[in-house]
Amino acid sequence: EIVMTQSPATLSVSPGERATLSCRSSQNVNSNLAWYQQKPGQAPRLLMYHASIRATDIPARFSGSGSGTEFTLTISSLQSEDFAVYYCQQYNNWPLTFGGGTKVDLK
Amino acid sequence: EVQLMESGGGLVRLGGSLRLSCAASGFTFSNYNMNWVRQAPGKGLEWVSHINSLSSTIYYSDSVKGRFTVSRDNAKNSLYLQMNTLRDEDTAVYYCARAISGYYHFDFWGQGTLVSVSS
Repeated sequence: EIVMTQSPATLSVSPGERATLSCRSSQNVNSNLAWYQQKPGQAPRLLMYHASIRATDIPARFSGSGSGTEFTLTISSLQSEDFAVYYCQQYNNWPLTFGGGTKVDLK
Repeated sequence: EVQLMESGGGLVRLGGSLRLSCAASGFTFSNYNMNWVRQAPGKGLEWVSHINSLSSTIYYSDSVKGRFTVSRDNAKNSLYLQMNTLRDEDTAVYYCARAISGYYHFDFWGQGTLVSVSS
């Protein structure tokens, strides 16, 4: 099983600041990596897939990069609605696995 | 409008059974792979099961293999998860999640249904 490790566990950011979230896989997953956003009491929402492609209706302030084992999600200028938990997911191998999440909260 | 609506969750005794359903609307259900993903209270996401559009390819996580069975009825636009021999660690919100055929990330999720296993 591929283990996905996200860091940091919590990221405290002020509105307007840049947020950089990391995701590392225990094996090469090529670019088969997705990012999701989850707000309290809501289902996850797809943000990025194939590591760097924004999903439908996702604002341009979200960007993804990386391949192989190291991936990054960047929020260029944090808005109030971006405070949430973010998960990465690899889909290169079965079983599909998620990282433990990064909580982005208000500094 | 794309909609996925889970139902069937509830309180069940340790070792009991439950059947979850996911009703799909607003898209051509038979064109999509479907998955179940769960989230224990206060925890992260855990993939549970995958079924492709024709029900010809099915996968399970090791934690549920042999106890859970996924199925779908394309004529009824519905996805199911039969859960048997339930354990404490199966307590979670269960989401159905759609994946474009040929892809294995989840582009749309239902709102989830809570399964609580008690002893």
